[in-house]
Amino acid sequence: NAGVTQTPKFQVLKTGQSMTLQCAQDMNHEYMSWYRQDPGMGLRLIHYSVGAGITDQGEVPNGYNVSRSTTEDFPLRLLSAAPSQTSVYFCASSPLVDGHEQYFGPGTRLTVT
Amino acid sequence: KQEVTQIPAALSVPEGENLVLNCSFTDSAIYNLQWFRQDPGKGLTSLLLIQSSQREQTSGRLNASLDKSSGRSTLYIAASQPGDSATYLCAVLGVYGNKLVFGAGTILRVKS
Repeated sequence: NAGVTQTPKFQVLKTGQSMTLQCAQDMNHEYMSWYRQDPGMGLRLIHYSVGAGITDQGEVPNGYNVSRSTTEDFPLRLLSAAPSQTSVYFCASSPLVDGHEQYFGPGTRLTVT
Repeated sequence: KQEVTQIPAALSVPEGENLVLNCSFTDSAIYNLQWFRQDPGKGLTSLLLIQSSQREQTSGRLNASLDKSSGRSTLYIAASQPGDSATYLCAVLGVYGNKLVFGAGTILRVKS
């Protein structure tokens, strides 16, 4: 199993550009989520999904969209990038079983100029 | 709203010392608590997962304890090595919404 994969590893955007961060998992996990990590802070939840066709907002959802058309994929879209979205983004997945461990991808480092 | 605090924010110790990292959380309604390690510029590596019904978990030189009623967890690292230098994050999984809440982390430096 590849586990949780994320692409790209690095990305530089100009303010106002849009892009999609990709996340995929091959463990048949129902639950997937996106976090952002900023210096001096822990990870904060952006959006999550409990299965195909079901998504919900986390702590910091503004400026981001998600969709879940398949169990495997959970892309994160930035509609109009802003410098405040410069961060490291992590995707995670787990079985939808109460209290199960979450598995994290390697992260995408995004810079918005 | 769940809040997770980690103390100290940074720690520098000589090689060979035993050390303790602290994590506290405000809402005891949790499924589990997880400790992660993060090397600079890298992703998260899961170290230990403690279910809410457990008191501690051990893996090699690492031992994590959980006192759910007081909202505290500690990560004990025995005989520290320079290779242990990293940021250590704790995160709690609440019973409402399956959401992980992270602390800001403790930056550990072990000097040789």
